[in-house]
Amino acid sequence: DIQMTQSPSTLSASVGDRVTITCRASQSIVGWLAWYQQKPGKAPKLLIYKASSLESGVPSRFSGSGSETEFTLTISSLQPDDFATYYCQHYNNYPYTFGQGTKLEIK
Amino acid sequence: QVQLVESGGGVVQPGTSLRLSCVASGFTFSDYGMHWVRQAPGKGPEWVAVISYDGSNKYYADSVKGRFTISRDNSKNTLYLQMNNLRAEDTAVYYCAKRNVQLVGRGAFDIWGQGTMVTVSS
Repeated sequence: DIQMTQSPSTLSASVGDRVTITCRASQSIVGWLAWYQQKPGKAPKLLIYKASSLESGVPSRFSGSGSETEFTLTISSLQPDDFATYYCQHYNNYPYTFGQGTKLEIK
Repeated sequence: QVQLVESGGGVVQPGTSLRLSCVASGFTFSDYGMHWVRQAPGKGPEWVAVISYDGSNKYYADSVKGRFTISRDNSKNTLYLQMNNLRAEDTAVYYCAKRNVQLVGRGAFDIWGQGTMVTVSS
């Protein structure tokens, strides 16, 4: 199975900051990577798919990049609504796996 | 609007069975592969199973293989997860999720249900 490792596990930042979350795959997943945002008690929400494609309705301050085994999610200017937990997920082959999550906290 | 609504969760004893349902609306259900994903309390999501748009292909996580069965009824726009021989470690919120690609091909999960809680405890 492909292991997905996110870093950092926790990130403290302020409104207006630019933040980057990294996701590494244990083997190449080409570009078959998605990023999700999850708030407490809610289902995950798709932000980015195919490593860098922005899901419809998602603000343009979110962007994704990377290929093969290393990927990043960047939020260009943090807004209050962005404080949540973020997960990467590969969908290159079954079983699909998720990263352990990055909790974005208010500094 | 595009929506998935799960039902069927509850509190059950180890070794028993439960069937979850997920009713889809707002899109052509029969055009999309569908997944079940679960999330144990305080943990990240875990992919459980997938079924192709026509029900001909199914894949499972090793943790549920042989105990869980995914199925669908396209005439009822409904996805199912039959869970047998439940264990304490199956305790989680179970979500159904829709692929963002029609028919075949790799797809991320663009629509999720609200989740249904399954608790396995004696």
